[in-house]
Amino acid sequence: DTAVSQTPKYLVTQMGNDKSIKCEQNLGHDTMYWYKQDSKKFLKIMFSYNNKELIINETVPNRFSPKSPDKAHLNLHINSLELGDSAVYFCASSHRAGGPTTDTQYFGPGTRLTVL
Amino acid sequence: RKEVEQDPGPFNVPEGATVAFNCTYSNSASQSFFWYRQDCRKEPKLLMSVYSSGNEDGRFTAQLNRASQYISLLIRDSKLSDSATYLCVVNLNYGGATNKLIFGTGTLLAVQP
Repeated sequence: DTAVSQTPKYLVTQMGNDKSIKCEQNLGHDTMYWYKQDSKKFLKIMFSYNNKELIINETVPNRFSPKSPDKAHLNLHINSLELGDSAVYFCASSHRAGGPTTDTQYFGPGTRLTVL
Repeated sequence: RKEVEQDPGPFNVPEGATVAFNCTYSNSASQSFFWYRQDCRKEPKLLMSVYSSGNEDGRFTAQLNRASQYISLLIRDSKLSDSATYLCVVNLNYGGATNKLIFGTGTLLAVQP
């Protein structure tokens, strides 16, 4: 069974469009994340939710809006897509976000977004 | 200065070689440390945590020097299957329910037959 799944795997779209990426985890984790990996392979956190509550919001344009309907799902909606949004977007989850140590983060397979 | 710095490589080594990767981090408040592995066009996966006393997992040895803010990974007897990008990762804990993983840009290892 897939632990962290994302859909779609590939997304090719025109500038200006609005698109969504979905993420689901079946690990019973409390915390979920969205990361962006750019063309230089730099992986950077965008958002983190703990039990449906937003706890990390990095300096991300407000065209990006995460939504967590329940703690097993964290979706990412992107409005008015720009060329610079082209990247691989990874969802991840972990058992808990707090405390002196971090439990392992499990990543989804990634969504490769190409904006034309 | 980047928060986590690594030599991007590539490191091209023959099978059976020993290879070492280094990483430095800038935030002394970093609390926990990891090496993740990322295969080409795949997601990152945890390779091992890094403890202050150093730790070993089979052919892999990780070391941490908090005073120098330096982390290392040693791979002995390299296998073709070790070819991947190795990501140095530090955790910043802001208290309560807020942890943040900071990733280095990764070091590419290519093990040659």
